[in-house]
Amino acid sequence: DVVMTQTPPSLSVAIGQSVSISCKSSQSLVYSDGKTYLHWLLQSPGRSPKRLIYQVSNLGSGVPDRFSGTGSQKDFTLKISRVEAEDLGVYYCAQTTHFPHTFGAGTKLELK
Amino acid sequence: EVQLVESGGGLVQPGRSLKLSCAASGFTFSNYYMAWVRQAPKKGLEWVATISTSGSRTYYPDSVKGRFTISRDNAKSSLYLQMNSLKSEDTATYYCARHDWFAYWGQGTLVTVSS
Repeated sequence: DVVMTQTPPSLSVAIGQSVSISCKSSQSLVYSDGKTYLHWLLQSPGRSPKRLIYQVSNLGSGVPDRFSGTGSQKDFTLKISRVEAEDLGVYYCAQTTHFPHTFGAGTKLELK
Repeated sequence: EVQLVESGGGLVQPGRSLKLSCAASGFTFSNYYMAWVRQAPKKGLEWVATISTSGSRTYYPDSVKGRFTISRDNAKSSLYLQMNSLKSEDTATYYCARHDWFAYWGQGTLVTVSS
């Protein structure tokens, strides 16, 4: 199985600060079609997960452009510019290149 | 507006069965792969099953293979998860999700496996 390693496990930030979350996979996430199926999700407290970014860098519908995703092969990063209160929660990376699909353990973003 | 509404969760004894349902609306259900993802209490996300548009192909992790069966009824825009031989470690909130890179999720239904 592909192991997804997220760091850091938690982040304490001030509103307006910028942060980055890392996600590393144990295998390349490039599929046979040449695309990379690495996605980022946010689970706000008490809510269902919400997809933020798909295929490394594509913003989901209605997601603010304060969010951006970069990376390739096995090394990926989610950046949040100018954190707002609504951004707090647990961030997960997920890969759907390989079966079984797997998730990172999550990064909890909290207010400083 | 895309909506996914799960139902069927509850308290069940180990070894028994339970069937979850997910009612979809706001999109052409038959055009999309669908998935179930679960989250044990205070834990992370775990993919449970995926089904193709026609239902002819299904995929599972080893943790549920042979015990869980995903199915769909495109005429009813509904997704199902039949769970047999339930174990305490299957206790979780089960989410239905549209599989185009987990674009949409339901609110989840809680399954508790306990005697």
